[in-house]
Amino acid sequence: GAGVSQSPRYKVAKRGQDVALRCDPISGHVSLFWYQQALGQGPEFLTYFQNEAQLDKSGLPSDRFFAERPEGSVSTLKIQRTQQEDSAVYLCASSLGGQGKINYGYTFGSGTRLTVV
Amino acid sequence: AQSVTQLDSHVSVSEGTPVLLRCNYSSSYSPSLFWYVQHPNKGLQLLLKYTSAATLVKGINGFEAEFKKSETSFHLTKPSAHMSDAAEYFCVVSQAAGNKLTFGGGTRVLVKP
Repeated sequence: GAGVSQSPRYKVAKRGQDVALRCDPISGHVSLFWYQQALGQGPEFLTYFQNEAQLDKSGLPSDRFFAERPEGSVSTLKIQRTQQEDSAVYLCASSLGGQGKINYGYTFGSGTRLTVV
Repeated sequence: AQSVTQLDSHVSVSEGTPVLLRCNYSSSYSPSLFWYVQHPNKGLQLLLKYTSAATLVKGINGFEAEFKKSETSFHLTKPSAHMSDAAEYFCVVSQAAGNKLTFGGGTRVLVKP
């Protein structure tokens, strides 16, 4: 597609429920990132994929968070046993270049707004 | 390690007057620097980027930023604000050797008629 697509756009989950957030990057983009943006704050890095390999997951806040990109295109961010502090906008970004190719731009999706009640 | 500090959480300007958004960074490597804009309920849009070429960078919608290594700053300016510039602006740094983006806390711009 022309841009990075994320679904669902909005998600309301009851505390303790598992959720799955989807990201469709731009076709052919090697790099894929997930960020978490809490209300009133800047996005914070969660994890990074180069193709299907998860090269950096240092930003995942707990072992309840899990991300995958099995075929090197679509990615899913899964949150198990959601807590109220997980409420945030989850942003996905993709880039044509791989690690180290900093001059390639990043395209962000519109995000998924997760509200845990 | 890298970090970004946006010195103003809110900036209010009148339409037609200059805008200045301040950003200081810290990076262990030669950084790449970006400014992104986020309108309500919309995705992040790249305004401009610095990647070790010219220190004065021109972006979209009349914005520009100047990289000053001695001051570790990358301030964003626009000579004349427009109502459509009301949004949240993020200064972002990335290491030349890696890909992870580190965002500042954001500056919310209000444009008064």
